[in-house]
Amino acid sequence: DAGVTQSPTHLIKTRGQHVTLRCSPISGHKSVSWYQQVLGQGPQFIFQYYEKEERGRGNFPDRFSARQFPNYSSELNVNALLLGDSALYLCASSTDRATEQFFGPGTRLTVL
Amino acid sequence: AQSVSQHNHHVILSEAASLELGCNYSYGGTVNLFWYVQYPGQHLQLLLKYFSGDPLVKGIKGFEAEFIKSKFSFNLRKPSVQWSDTAEYFCAVNPSYNTDKLIFGTGTRLQVFP
Repeated sequence: DAGVTQSPTHLIKTRGQHVTLRCSPISGHKSVSWYQQVLGQGPQFIFQYYEKEERGRGNFPDRFSARQFPNYSSELNVNALLLGDSALYLCASSTDRATEQFFGPGTRLTVL
Repeated sequence: AQSVSQHNHHVILSEAASLELGCNYSYGGTVNLFWYVQYPGQHLQLLLKYFSGDPLVKGIKGFEAEFIKSKFSFNLRKPSVQWSDTAEYFCAVNPSYNTDKLIFGTGTRLQVFP
């Protein structure tokens, strides 16, 4: 059974640009969460979507947005990139809320 | 604010030594507790979890953790570490009233030498 997949693996952008990251959950999982992991720190919660609706939002600016599609895959969008947005972006899926989450390999974003 | 503290940032052990990694959280209500591991070059994997019941939880690869509610702690233990346990370990809390939101600690880097 395939795990959580994310694309692209690596991405280099310049300040002010826009980026879209993609995530496909494990088959049968309806919940997708996004996390940002800066080097040397633990992952920080950005969003959770369940059944295409936002269920939770972390303490991130409005430049960050996300959505979930009918097939439960998800996109994370970040506008007006800043140097501080450089991080590993993780996607996790689960069957429902407050249950075990399965993490993908992440997308490494570098902002120059 | 809800937070998770991991006291040890970097631990160095020899094979066969015992391991205990500390984790404390600041939240007064019911919580679900997790330990995740990130091996070099790999993604986060679940080691063990506590939702309710027996506060001593056994996970994969010989790891266990004990939930002590009065101390807001969920320490990870292994009686005898192996070189293959070299990894970064994260404690995480999910306040069960909320969504899937996990609050992670800053992680502990474990290095095991043969």
